[in-house]
Amino acid sequence: NAGVTQTPKFRILKIGQSMTLQCTQDMNHNYMYWYRQDPGMGLKLIYYSVGAGITDKGEVPNGYNVSRSTTEDFPLRLELAAPSQTSVYFCASSRDASWSGELFFGEGSRLTVL
Amino acid sequence: QQQVKQSPQSLIVQKGGISIINCAYENTAFDYFPWYQQFPGKGPALLIAIRPDVSEKKEGRFTISFNKSAKQFSLHIMDSQPGDSATYFCAAYKAAGNKLTFGGGTRVLVKP
Repeated sequence: NAGVTQTPKFRILKIGQSMTLQCTQDMNHNYMYWYRQDPGMGLKLIYYSVGAGITDKGEVPNGYNVSRSTTEDFPLRLELAAPSQTSVYFCASSRDASWSGELFFGEGSRLTVL
Repeated sequence: QQQVKQSPQSLIVQKGGISIINCAYENTAFDYFPWYQQFPGKGPALLIAIRPDVSEKKEGRFTISFNKSAKQFSLHIMDSQPGDSATYFCAAYKAAGNKLTFGGGTRVLVKP
């Protein structure tokens, strides 16, 4: 059981480039999330999805886009990368609305924008 | 606006000592307070959690204390071990809106 899988683990982008961070989960969870982690700032929610075809903005959505065409996959798109998007990105999933705070995280994708 | 404030940012403790991490929240409508543990290069993982109608919860060497009137909660790691060296995040969950808000994290280093 792989859980939540993210790719790539590391990536360096130039300013203005675009890329997609991939996330897939095999736990049949309806809820999926993208967080970014910056030193001393905890985890900030970028986007989340409550099921296939449904997405919504989190706390820091600017500069990002998501889609949810299947239950398993929740890719995060970065358009026109900026240095402020240098961060570690985590994808997570949870069972349903009654999950009471238990998220299952991937191992993260470290992105550097130069 | 940070609704969950965590302190200290880092902590060094000797093996066998007690690690204490404190969190305070600003919104009274939270329903659940989980703690996450993150090892270097890994994603966070749920460690222990408490509901606001409980004042203390213990799981092995890990204990959460909760003070609803003060809007504060803390994690105590008893008999700290080098394997406990990790970053710990407190969080607050609000069922309405399905929202989980994290504190800034505490990096704990347990020296042998």
